[in-house]
Amino acid sequence: DTEVTQTPKHLVMGMTNKKSLKCEQHMGHRAMYWYKQKAKKPPELMFVYSYEKLSINESVPSRFSPECPNSSLLNLHLHALQPEDSALYLCASSPGVGYNSPLHFGNGTRLTVT
Amino acid sequence: GIQVEQSPPDLILQEGANSTLRCNFSDSVNNLQWFHQNPWGQLINLFYIPSGTKQNGRLSATTVATERYSLLYISSSQTTDSGVYFCAARSGYSTLTFGKGTMLLVSP
Repeated sequence: DTEVTQTPKHLVMGMTNKKSLKCEQHMGHRAMYWYKQKAKKPPELMFVYSYEKLSINESVPSRFSPECPNSSLLNLHLHALQPEDSALYLCASSPGVGYNSPLHFGNGTRLTVT
Repeated sequence: GIQVEQSPPDLILQEGANSTLRCNFSDSVNNLQWFHQNPWGQLINLFYIPSGTKQNGRLSATTVATERYSLLYISSSQTTDSGVYFCAARSGYSTLTFGKGTMLLVSP
């Protein structure tokens, strides 16, 4: 399941930095997702984009800003993060947001906030 | 929303042994997936199985939707099977809900 590509693999940033996580898929999927995963916990949904429009925001703090420039790309802009935001950030895509659309995950970006 | 419970929480096997992981869910599902997360964090899609039985090599899965459970079978386990196995389910128009996972360690 490596058809969803995430960069970078690792990121260390200070609390005053601005950085971006990138995600790309070329499977023609029309839904893309950001998940956050803390150690020894299941992934938690952050955002869902459907046909390049934000359809779900799970009450995520504004220091996380998603962007979907086109149907193949998904970015997550980070600003003024806190150490507790350190986690594995996973991108996923699915053919649509309908019930019969299995998710495919990227390999994740491991983020450390110092 | 739907509740997803996995058992056992932890499992230790000798290489070559077989195992069964269970996923119970609280509502009728229209999407159920099994994932394997390896020690490097990669989350790999094993099965999309809202009902029925599927097999892929040494792995197979069965979902009995009417009784609200799914089983993942691992036969002739290998050390590379180690990691966390997640079941995730969706009911109605909700988003996919993950269980807490089963952590599997296969020792040589």
